Amino acid sequence: GQNIDQPTEMTATEGAIVQINCTYQTSGFNGLFWYQQHAGEAPTFLSYNVLDGLEEKGRFSSFLSRSKGYSYLLLKELQMKDSASYLCAVEDSNYQLIWGAGTKLIIKP
Amino acid sequence: IAGITQAPTSQILAAGRRMTLRCTQDMRHNAMYWYRQDLGLGLRLIHYSNTAGTTGKGEVPDGYSVSRANTDDFPLTLASAVPSQTSVYFCASSAGQGSSYEQYFGPGTRLTVT
Repeated sequence: GQNIDQPTEMTATEGAIVQINCTYQTSGFNGLFWYQQHAGEAPTFLSYNVLDGLEEKGRFSSFLSRSKGYSYLLLKELQMKDSASYLCAVEDSNYQLIWGAGTKLIIKP
Repeated sequence: IAGITQAPTSQILAAGRRMTLRCTQDMRHNAMYWYRQDLGLGLRLIHYSNTAGTTGKGEVPDGYSVSRANTDDFPLTLASAVPSQTSVYFCASSAGQGSSYEQYFGPGTRLTVT
Protein backbone atom coordinates (compact mmCIF):
# COMPACT_ATOMS: atom_id res chain seq x y z
CA GLY A 1 0.00 0.00 0.00
CA GLN A 2 0.94 3.64 -0.17
CA ASN A 3 1.81 5.44 3.01
CA ILE A 4 3.07 8.87 4.02
CA ASP A 5 4.02 9.38 7.69
CA GLN A 6 4.46 12.68 9.47
CA PRO A 7 4.30 13.61 13.16
CA THR A 8 0.82 14.77 14.12
CA GLU A 9 1.88 17.84 16.07
CA MET A 10 5.04 19.75 16.98
CA THR A 11 5.69 22.76 19.20
CA ALA A 12 8.52 25.25 18.78
CA THR A 13 9.55 28.66 20.07
CA GLU A 14 9.51 31.89 18.11
CA GLY A 15 12.94 32.57 16.61
CA ALA A 16 14.03 28.93 16.83
CA ILE A 17 14.53 26.23 14.16
CA VAL A 18 12.23 23.25 13.65
CA GLN A 19 12.54 20.17 11.45
CA ILE A 20 9.41 18.34 10.26
CA ASN A 21 10.05 14.82 9.02
CA CYS A 22 8.21 12.83 6.39
CA THR A 23 8.72 9.19 5.45
CA TYR A 24 7.01 7.57 2.52
CA GLN A 25 6.30 4.26 0.84
CA THR A 26 4.64 4.69 -2.53
CA SER A 27 4.22 2.88 -5.82
CA GLY A 28 6.78 4.85 -7.76
CA PHE A 29 8.24 8.26 -7.07
CA ASN A 30 8.11 11.33 -9.29
CA GLY A 31 8.77 14.02 -6.73
CA LEU A 32 7.93 15.24 -3.24
CA PHE A 33 6.05 18.41 -2.33
CA TRP A 34 5.60 20.38 0.88
CA TYR A 35 2.55 22.57 1.35
CA GLN A 36 1.54 24.92 4.15
CA GLN A 37 -2.06 25.11 5.34
CA HIS A 38 -3.28 27.67 7.86
CA ALA A 39 -6.37 26.69 9.84
CA GLY A 40 -9.52 27.08 7.78
CA GLU A 41 -7.61 27.93 4.62
CA ALA A 42 -6.42 26.18 1.47
CA PRO A 43 -3.00 24.54 1.16
CA THR A 44 -0.30 26.64 -0.51
CA PHE A 45 2.88 25.36 -2.18
CA LEU A 46 6.18 25.61 -0.31
CA SER A 47 8.73 23.39 -2.02
CA TYR A 48 9.41 20.58 -4.46
CA ASN A 49 12.22 17.98 -4.43
CA VAL A 50 12.90 15.36 -7.07
CA LEU A 51 16.66 14.83 -6.62
CA ASP A 52 18.47 13.94 -3.42
CA GLY A 53 19.73 16.86 -1.43
CA LEU A 54 18.70 20.15 0.07
CA GLU A 55 16.62 22.84 -1.60
CA GLU A 56 16.75 26.21 0.13
CA LYS A 57 14.19 28.95 -0.24
CA GLY A 58 14.55 31.80 2.23
CA ARG A 59 13.75 30.66 5.77
CA PHE A 60 12.46 27.31 4.49
CA SER A 61 14.56 24.38 3.25
CA SER A 62 13.52 20.91 2.15
CA PHE A 63 15.66 17.79 2.03
CA LEU A 64 15.14 14.53 0.18
CA SER A 65 16.72 11.08 0.37
CA ARG A 66 15.08 8.80 -2.17
CA SER A 67 17.00 5.70 -1.05
CA LYS A 68 15.65 6.14 2.49
CA GLY A 69 12.16 7.28 1.48
CA TYR A 70 12.67 10.33 3.67
CA SER A 71 12.27 14.06 3.52
CA TYR A 72 12.29 16.92 5.98
CA LEU A 73 11.17 20.52 5.98
CA LEU A 74 13.40 22.89 7.94
CA LEU A 75 11.98 26.19 9.14
CA LYS A 76 14.42 28.78 10.49
CA GLU A 77 13.87 31.98 12.49
CA LEU A 78 10.35 30.90 13.33
CA GLN A 79 7.65 33.54 13.34
CA MET A 80 4.19 33.37 14.86
CA LYS A 81 2.70 33.37 11.37
CA ASP A 82 4.43 30.01 10.74
CA SER A 83 1.84 28.38 13.00
CA ALA A 84 0.08 26.12 10.50
CA SER A 85 -0.14 22.55 9.28
CA TYR A 86 2.60 21.33 6.96
CA LEU A 87 1.60 18.69 4.41
CA CYS A 88 3.99 16.28 2.74
CA ALA A 89 2.88 14.81 -0.59
CA VAL A 90 4.54 12.34 -2.96
CA GLU A 91 3.76 12.06 -6.65
CA ASP A 92 3.42 8.38 -7.50
CA SER A 93 3.97 6.51 -10.76
CA ASN A 94 0.48 7.57 -11.95
CA TYR A 95 1.39 11.24 -11.42
CA GLN A 96 -1.13 11.50 -8.60
CA LEU A 97 -0.26 13.12 -5.29
CA ILE A 98 -0.42 10.93 -2.18
CA TRP A 99 -0.77 13.15 0.87
CA GLY A 100 0.30 12.77 4.46
CA ALA A 101 -2.13 13.76 7.20
CA GLY A 102 -0.07 16.84 7.96
CA THR A 103 1.94 18.12 10.92
CA LYS A 104 0.36 20.84 13.02
CA LEU A 105 3.11 23.26 14.09
CA ILE A 106 2.43 25.40 17.15
CA ILE A 107 4.73 28.38 17.69
CA LYS A 108 5.02 29.77 21.21
CA PRO A 109 6.37 33.23 22.06
CA ILE B 1 -7.09 37.70 -10.84
CA ALA B 2 -9.13 35.34 -8.71
CA GLY B 3 -7.20 32.09 -9.25
CA ILE B 4 -9.62 29.37 -8.26
CA THR B 5 -13.08 30.00 -6.90
CA GLN B 6 -15.41 27.49 -5.30
CA ALA B 7 -19.09 27.71 -4.46
CA PRO B 8 -20.78 27.42 -2.10
CA THR B 9 -18.46 28.24 0.81
CA SER B 10 -20.43 25.94 3.05
CA GLN B 11 -23.59 23.88 2.83
CA ILE B 12 -25.78 21.73 5.04
CA LEU B 13 -27.45 19.01 2.99
CA ALA B 14 -30.04 16.41 3.83
CA ALA B 15 -29.07 12.81 3.11
CA GLY B 16 -30.34 11.59 -0.22
CA ARG B 17 -30.26 15.01 -1.85
CA ARG B 18 -28.27 15.81 -4.98
CA MET B 19 -25.62 18.53 -4.79
CA THR B 20 -23.14 20.10 -7.21
CA LEU B 21 -20.03 21.83 -5.95
CA ARG B 22 -18.74 24.42 -8.38
CA CYS B 23 -15.11 25.14 -9.24
CA THR B 24 -13.78 27.72 -11.71
CA GLN B 25 -10.20 28.74 -12.48
CA ASP B 26 -8.96 31.64 -14.57
CA MET B 27 -5.32 30.54 -14.97
CA ARG B 28 -5.94 28.46 -18.12
CA HIS B 29 -4.55 25.43 -16.33
CA ASN B 30 -4.93 22.10 -18.11
CA ALA B 31 -5.23 19.85 -15.08
CA MET B 32 -7.87 20.08 -12.33
CA TYR B 33 -8.55 18.01 -9.24
CA TRP B 34 -11.12 17.44 -6.53
CA TYR B 35 -9.97 16.43 -3.03
CA ARG B 36 -11.70 15.85 0.25
CA GLN B 37 -9.99 16.60 3.54
CA ASP B 38 -11.07 14.88 6.74
CA LEU B 39 -9.64 15.36 10.23
CA GLY B 40 -6.66 13.12 10.82
CA LEU B 41 -6.45 12.05 7.20
CA GLY B 42 -4.49 13.45 4.32
CA LEU B 43 -6.10 15.02 1.31
CA ARG B 44 -7.69 12.28 -0.77
CA LEU B 45 -8.17 12.58 -4.50
CA ILE B 46 -11.75 12.06 -5.68
CA HIS B 47 -11.54 12.76 -9.42
CA TYR B 48 -9.18 14.56 -11.73
CA SER B 49 -9.03 15.91 -15.26
CA ASN B 50 -5.79 16.23 -17.22
CA THR B 51 -7.38 18.38 -19.92
CA ALA B 52 -10.79 19.58 -21.04
CA GLY B 53 -12.96 16.69 -22.17
CA THR B 54 -11.21 14.02 -20.09
CA THR B 55 -11.70 12.86 -16.51
CA GLY B 56 -10.29 10.12 -14.31
CA LYS B 57 -10.99 8.44 -10.99
CA GLY B 58 -8.88 9.09 -7.95
CA GLU B 59 -8.56 7.23 -4.67
CA VAL B 60 -12.16 7.73 -3.42
CA PRO B 61 -14.48 8.25 -6.43
CA ASP B 62 -17.57 6.31 -5.27
CA GLY B 63 -20.66 8.49 -4.90
CA TYR B 64 -19.15 11.37 -6.88
CA SER B 65 -19.10 12.36 -10.54
CA VAL B 66 -17.39 15.12 -12.48
CA SER B 67 -17.41 16.70 -15.91
CA ARG B 68 -14.95 18.94 -17.76
CA ALA B 69 -16.77 20.61 -20.62
CA ASN B 70 -14.23 23.44 -20.87
CA THR B 71 -10.84 24.47 -19.45
CA ASP B 72 -12.16 26.71 -16.70
CA ASP B 73 -14.92 24.71 -14.96
CA PHE B 74 -14.80 21.42 -13.09
CA PRO B 75 -18.01 20.73 -11.14
CA LEU B 76 -18.31 17.87 -8.64
CA THR B 77 -21.70 16.21 -8.18
CA LEU B 78 -22.93 14.10 -5.31
CA ALA B 79 -25.82 12.14 -6.79
CA SER B 80 -27.37 11.09 -3.47
CA ALA B 81 -25.53 12.48 -0.46
CA VAL B 82 -24.70 10.30 2.55
CA PRO B 83 -23.40 11.38 5.99
CA SER B 84 -19.94 9.91 5.26
CA GLN B 85 -19.55 12.57 2.57
CA THR B 86 -19.42 15.24 5.27
CA SER B 87 -16.03 16.82 4.64
CA VAL B 88 -14.16 19.85 3.36
CA TYR B 89 -13.84 19.72 -0.41
CA PHE B 90 -10.97 21.41 -2.21
CA CYS B 91 -10.68 21.99 -5.91
CA ALA B 92 -7.17 22.46 -7.30
CA SER B 93 -5.51 23.07 -10.65
CA SER B 94 -2.06 22.82 -12.17
CA ALA B 95 -0.53 23.94 -15.45
CA GLY B 96 0.16 20.35 -16.40
CA GLN B 97 0.29 16.87 -15.02
CA GLY B 98 3.41 15.44 -13.54
CA SER B 99 6.45 16.45 -11.58
CA SER B 100 7.26 20.07 -10.81
CA TYR B 101 3.74 21.31 -11.51
CA GLU B 102 2.53 22.75 -8.23
CA GLN B 103 -1.15 22.63 -7.51
CA TYR B 104 -3.15 25.75 -6.71
CA PHE B 105 -6.08 25.27 -4.39
CA GLY B 106 -9.44 26.95 -4.11
CA PRO B 107 -10.73 28.15 -0.72
CA GLY B 108 -12.75 24.97 -0.12
CA THR B 109 -16.39 24.02 0.44
CA ARG B 110 -17.41 22.79 3.88
CA LEU B 111 -20.19 20.25 3.38
CA THR B 112 -22.28 18.70 6.14
CA VAL B 113 -24.66 15.88 5.26
CA THR B 114 -27.31 15.24 7.90
